[in-house]
Amino acid sequence: QAGLTQPPSVSKGLRQTATLTCTGNSNNVGDQGAAWLQQHQGHPPKLLSYRNNSRPSGISERFSASRSGNTASLTITGLQPEDEADYYCSAWDRSLSAWVFGGGTKLTVL
Amino acid sequence: QVQLVESGGGVVQPGRSLRLSCAASGFTFSNHDMHWVRQAPGKGLEWVAVIAYDGSYKFHADSVKGRFTISRDNSRNTLFLQVNSLRAEDTAVYHCAKDQQDYWGQGTLVTVSS
Repeated sequence: QAGLTQPPSVSKGLRQTATLTCTGNSNNVGDQGAAWLQQHQGHPPKLLSYRNNSRPSGISERFSASRSGNTASLTITGLQPEDEADYYCSAWDRSLSAWVFGGGTKLTVL
Repeated sequence: QVQLVESGGGVVQPGRSLRLSCAASGFTFSNHDMHWVRQAPGKGLEWVAVIAYDGSYKFHADSVKGRFTISRDNSRNTLFLQVNSLRAEDTAVYHCAKDQQDYWGQGTLVTVSS
């Protein structure tokens, strides 16, 4: 099953802003949006944003999600060392009847 | 608090089978769809299967269709994944996740090797 497209890596400086992108099509991201997950090495993924761009309880306001057409974005402001992690987007694909994930973006905080 | 605890992984030979379990607590299990998602060593997340809250529908990824089967027992608050005809490329940590992927288990490692 075709996945969502994410850049493999992004590097930004401490306290800067990073914007991660996730591109799909009208059957997945363009239909009901994408969720965003953060994963640190050796740990399970953690949900940062629901498909409707709302944050789960306890997630910092520094993480905000949005969508324009078939592309979803996650913006992280005031980058901190602990933000260095892998970030995945995921969406339900109505044509495949399957969840699809992006390949993940490794965020490096310099 | 919500807890998802997987079990049943291990080292198995190609072609063999395993039954993975996910014990849920801290929420009304029977009200929520559930997923299995796997992650091969050093690789990204791969969705495996989803089951409706009442078991009325099940969908599996093409890569496992015909070999893996998701199921659930709401009386025991437990999710299952029957994995048959295992291949080397099925080697991964298998996580269960709640419907909106807002809660994940730590995962259980399945290693397929002769």
